[in-house]
Amino acid sequence: KAGVTQTPRYLIKTRGQQVTLSCSPISGHRSVSWYQQTPGQGLQFLFEYFSETQRNKGNFPGRFSGRQFSNSRSEMNVSTLELGDSALYLCASSLFGYSNNEQFFGPGTRLTVL
Amino acid sequence: QKEVEQNSGPLSVPEGAIASLNCTYSDRGSQSFFWYRQYSGKSPELIMFIYSNGDKEDGRFTAQLNKASQYVSLLIRDSQPSDSATYLCAVHTGGFKTIFGAGTRLFVKA
Repeated sequence: KAGVTQTPRYLIKTRGQQVTLSCSPISGHRSVSWYQQTPGQGLQFLFEYFSETQRNKGNFPGRFSGRQFSNSRSEMNVSTLELGDSALYLCASSLFGYSNNEQFFGPGTRLTVL
Repeated sequence: QKEVEQNSGPLSVPEGAIASLNCTYSDRGSQSFFWYRQYSGKSPELIMFIYSNGDKEDGRFTAQLNKASQYVSLLIRDSQPSDSATYLCAVHTGGFKTIFGAGTRLFVKA
C-alpha cells in the first residue's frame, strides 16, 4: 500500500507570495492532519480534515487555510508569506482521526521564504 | 506549562544499553499516546502507541503509560547506533488533535 505523498517536496518563495501544498493520504484513510515543524517550535498542529470538513485547528493566523476533497486528498494554502513561515510542512493521515487510529506522516514539503 | 513536555537531551547511551525516554502531558482527558522516531531531514515514523495504563511491548521497544501521573515513557532495549534519532512523544487529546512534544535527541555510542 502506498504511503502518504506530498507535493512539492521543496519550494522557494518570496515574502508576500502565496503557496499551495498538496497531500494524498494512504488509500482508505479519510482523516488528514497538517503540521508545521520548525527548529524553534517543534511540530505544531495546523488543522485536521475529515470528509471535507475541518474538525479542529491550531493557533495559526488566518493566512493558513486548508481544504479536503471528496477523494480525501488535502491541500493547504499560506497567503502573504512571511519569513517566519519557512518550515517543514508535514501532513499525516489516519483512518478516521479517532484516538485509537495510528497516524502516518508523509515526507513533508520544505518551504523556504526569502 | 507546555501541553506535552519532553527532556530535549541529548540523551547519550552506550550500545547495548537501555535508553529511557520520558514524556509528561497536561490534559487529563488525553486518550492515546504515540511515540515517533525522526531521523535528521526525515519525517516522523511511528514506533508504537498506547492508550491503556501499563506496559506495551513491541520488539525492543516498551511503552509505559501512567494516566494518574500523566506520564508516558519509551524504553529501548539493546540500543543500537541506528536508534540515534529524535524521539517525539505525541498525545491525542480527543478533539481530533494531536499535540507533539519538542522531542528528545538520543545518541547511541558504538
